[in-house]
Amino acid sequence: NAGVTQTPKFQVLKTGQSMTLQCAQDMNHEYMSWYRQDPGMGLRLIHYSVGAGITDQGEVPNGYNVSRSTTEDFPLRLLSAAPSQTSVYFCASSYSETATNYGYTFGSGTRLTVV
Amino acid sequence: AQSVTQPDIHITVSEGASLELRCNYSYGATPYLFWYVQSPGQGLQLLLKYFSGDTLVQGIKGFEAEFKRSQSSFNLRKPSVHWSDAAEYFCALDTGRRALTFGSGTRLQVQP
Repeated sequence: NAGVTQTPKFQVLKTGQSMTLQCAQDMNHEYMSWYRQDPGMGLRLIHYSVGAGITDQGEVPNGYNVSRSTTEDFPLRLLSAAPSQTSVYFCASSYSETATNYGYTFGSGTRLTVV
Repeated sequence: AQSVTQPDIHITVSEGASLELRCNYSYGATPYLFWYVQSPGQGLQLLLKYFSGDTLVQGIKGFEAEFKRSQSSFNLRKPSVHWSDAAEYFCALDTGRRALTFGSGTRLQVQP
C-alpha cells in the first residue's frame, strides 16, 4: 500500500541505549520530516529533508540525528536515549505538484518509552 | 521564526451546537495553513488547507475555516457538532520549507 511506513510501532528503551526509528515512503515524495508529539505541546518538528542528501534542523533537534541517502528513507537516530525522549514520533512526507496541490502524508507513529 | 497559537486548550460543546476553534499564527508573509484532527491513539487526518485565493475554505466532515490576514487567524468552524467530532484539533503552518509548525492543540469534548 502506498504511504508512509514507520517501524517499529512500539519500543521500550533503557536510558543510554541507541536505536533508529525507520521511516519509508513509496510515493516518490521529495520532502520528509520528523515530529514528536507530547501531551499539551502538539507536534514539534525535529528534523526535515528537502531531498536526498539534504537535511536541516527543526525546533527540537537535540539528541536526534538524521540522514537521507535515498528519496524513500528518512531514519531518525537516537544515539543515547533519555527519559525526556519518551514520546510519540511521527514521520511525514510531502508533495507539491502545483501551488494548489500541496499536502502531507503522515505515518501511523512510533510510541517510544525510555526507562 | 514562525509560530502557531491555539488559545483554547479544551472546549466543551453540546451536540448540535456550533463550534469555532481559534488559531493565530505569527509569520512575516502568508503561510500555507492546515487543520488536522486526531482521535485518541490515532494518527492525523487532514480537515482542510489554505494556500491562497478564497479566504473561506471548505473541508471534510462539514468543517470550514476562514483566513483573515489582518488578524493572522485561521479559525475552524462547524455549524452543528456531532458526538463523533470529539477529538483533538491541530492548526499548522508551512512557510514553504515543506515542514509543519503545529499549534499545541485544542481538545474538543461533545456533551449529549
